Amino acid sequence: DTGVSQDPRHKITKRGQNVTFRCDPISEHNRLYWYRQTLGQGPEFLTYFQNEAQLEKSRLLSDRFSAERPKGSFSTLEIQRTEQGDSAMYLCASSLAGQAYEQYFGPGTRLTVT
Amino acid sequence: AQSVTQPDIHITVSEGASLELRCNYSYGATPYLFWYVQSPGQGLQLLLKYFSGDTLVQGIKGFEAEFKRSQSSFNLRKPSVHWSDAAEYFCAVGRTGAGSYQLTFGKGTKLSVIP
Repeated sequence: DTGVSQDPRHKITKRGQNVTFRCDPISEHNRLYWYRQTLGQGPEFLTYFQNEAQLEKSRLLSDRFSAERPKGSFSTLEIQRTEQGDSAMYLCASSLAGQAYEQYFGPGTRLTVT
Repeated sequence: AQSVTQPDIHITVSEGASLELRCNYSYGATPYLFWYVQSPGQGLQLLLKYFSGDTLVQGIKGFEAEFKRSQSSFNLRKPSVHWSDAAEYFCAVGRTGAGSYQLTFGKGTKLSVIP
């Protein structure tokens, strides 16, 4: 299967710990997006990359959130000093540059902060 | 800033009945419009999209949507619902203009199907 994959699918952590999530996009896609989805809400845009360049990061929720895509392939999203309010589903999507709105989503990583 | 409203949080229909899910958007220019479906444990799947042209758009799984500029709406329809259509449906808008590719989603409508 060549869809978007995310790892882990579930993560339980204690408040104050750091967590890192990985996203592997569809191989030929050079754009990669991160969204957050809380209970009862639609996905909320966080950031996106074109190749290794992070072109939009103003929507990251705080300076505890950071994302990287070092070689223009997979990406990581890190949350430092987690808080209970960070509990959510973190979704990754990818697209071709010329079809930026045709975003293909992964299954998500569900984070629970206790 | 753009926004999307899905007025119905939860809809229940009988299998074989017709379906219409409502979506209203707020955006200054002609938006790009999308419908996604999310099944439990699955990622979002694109059902259909509207960029320009014909205001009636056909999608996958027998879904269609109609863009009505005068009503700022993009309602999703299906003539006959199948039990496998039970899922959550999200309407989304994309900003036109260079450099911005973020999607803004509504809160979703959960569809239940009675056999």
